Amino acid sequence: NAGVTQTPKFQVLKTGQSMTLQCAQDMNHNSMYWYRQDPGMGLRLIYYSASEGTTDKGEVPNGYNVSRLNKREFSLRLESAAPSQTSVYFCASSGLAGEIETQYFGPGTRLLVL
Amino acid sequence: AQTVTQSQPEMSVQEAETVTLSCTYDTSESDYYLFWYKQPPSRQMILVIRQEAYKQQNATENRFSVNFQKAAKSFSLKISDSQLGDAAMYFCAYLVGNMLTFGGGTRLMVKP
Repeated sequence: NAGVTQTPKFQVLKTGQSMTLQCAQDMNHNSMYWYRQDPGMGLRLIYYSASEGTTDKGEVPNGYNVSRLNKREFSLRLESAAPSQTSVYFCASSGLAGEIETQYFGPGTRLLVL
Repeated sequence: AQTVTQSQPEMSVQEAETVTLSCTYDTSESDYYLFWYKQPPSRQMILVIRQEAYKQQNATENRFSVNFQKAAKSFSLKISDSQLGDAAMYFCAYLVGNMLTFGGGTRLMVKP
């Protein structure tokens, strides 16, 4: 049981390049999320998917697109990377733990845009 | 808009002592949940403890406990018998619906 996995762990891009961050969960959760964490700050929600086939914008969606490929996988795409997108990206999935809907996080992807 | 405020950017505690990390939040919702997450240098986000807003009893997980004051919108984390492995960033977070909102974090240092 791997929980939430993310690839790659680290990536360097040049301004204008595109890339896709991959996320998968094996906990049979319906909801999945993408966050970014900038230095000295908490996580901010980019996009989320409450169930397979649905996606919604979070707090900071500009410059990103997402795809909920199936129940297990939720990818985040940067079409034209900008230096402001240098950050650590976390994927999460959520399910009931006892009575509480709880989010479980992947290990993060460090992205550097030059 | 929902906000979560952690007023202590850094805290330090002596090993084996007790420390309390503060968190306040602002919401008009009545049905929500509160969490504390730990982020060690590995950057992994680790769930520490959680609380349902409709429960008056404070949550406890081993050496970690919370002081939940709903009227004051306060949700502090108490770490007892602090250990070197407790050194990390701690984030308070508030969940309503699918939206999890994080505070800015408190860096906890543990002195041997």
